[in-house]
Amino acid sequence: AQTVTQSQPEMSVQEAETVTLSCTYDTSENNYYLFWYKQPPSRQMILVIRQEAYKQQNATENRFSVNFQKAAKSFSLKISDSQLGDTAMYFCAFMEPFGNEKLTFGTGTRLTIIP
Amino acid sequence: DSGVTQTPKHLITATGQRVTLRCSPRSGDLSVYWYQQSLDQGLQFLIQYYNGEERAKGNILERFSAQQFPDLHSELNLSSLELGDSALYFCASTKGEGFGTQYFGPGTRLLVL
Repeated sequence: AQTVTQSQPEMSVQEAETVTLSCTYDTSENNYYLFWYKQPPSRQMILVIRQEAYKQQNATENRFSVNFQKAAKSFSLKISDSQLGDTAMYFCAFMEPFGNEKLTFGTGTRLTIIP
Repeated sequence: DSGVTQTPKHLITATGQRVTLRCSPRSGDLSVYWYQQSLDQGLQFLIQYYNGEERAKGNILERFSAQQFPDLHSELNLSSLELGDSALYFCASTKGEGFGTQYFGPGTRLLVL
């Protein structure tokens, strides 16, 4: 079974600084998707970024980027120029496509942006 | 706004009761997924439907059941409720199978007293 590990339960960073959240996963599959979801205090689950395992290029979305290391099974999220609105729980998630499409989530990292 | 709607937003009920949670997927999405978020279990996949048919089951209790209707909305039925069923229940949807990104609804917060 796939597992996703987020080893940082809590992090805090000053506004405008850069922060990196870590995620590792375990799978024997070669084709899969990885995601970062954000859950602010409203509890809504919001997609931050997605990475397909077959793509070597790291995904970026504005201030958010990932460092995807397939061989190491590592998928970290970098938030640049952090803003107060980035304060949230961040969940790393793994999914196999075509036939086993459930998301397997890590336990989350609570990120606080300090003004 | 993800385009996925869930009702009700909050539900308070007593042990032993039965409740129904409703989800409407994004326009055009055929797959619906249900997840449970609780303090002790984290975020867990419950069940998936695709175009009316059950596709995959996760850690869903026998007291729980779901279905997807011809108009593609889905309902999650929870019966013989226990205190431990208190959680946030999410519905997510995607266009079809293998399309990757799941978009989540706002969730239904269930409190069993």
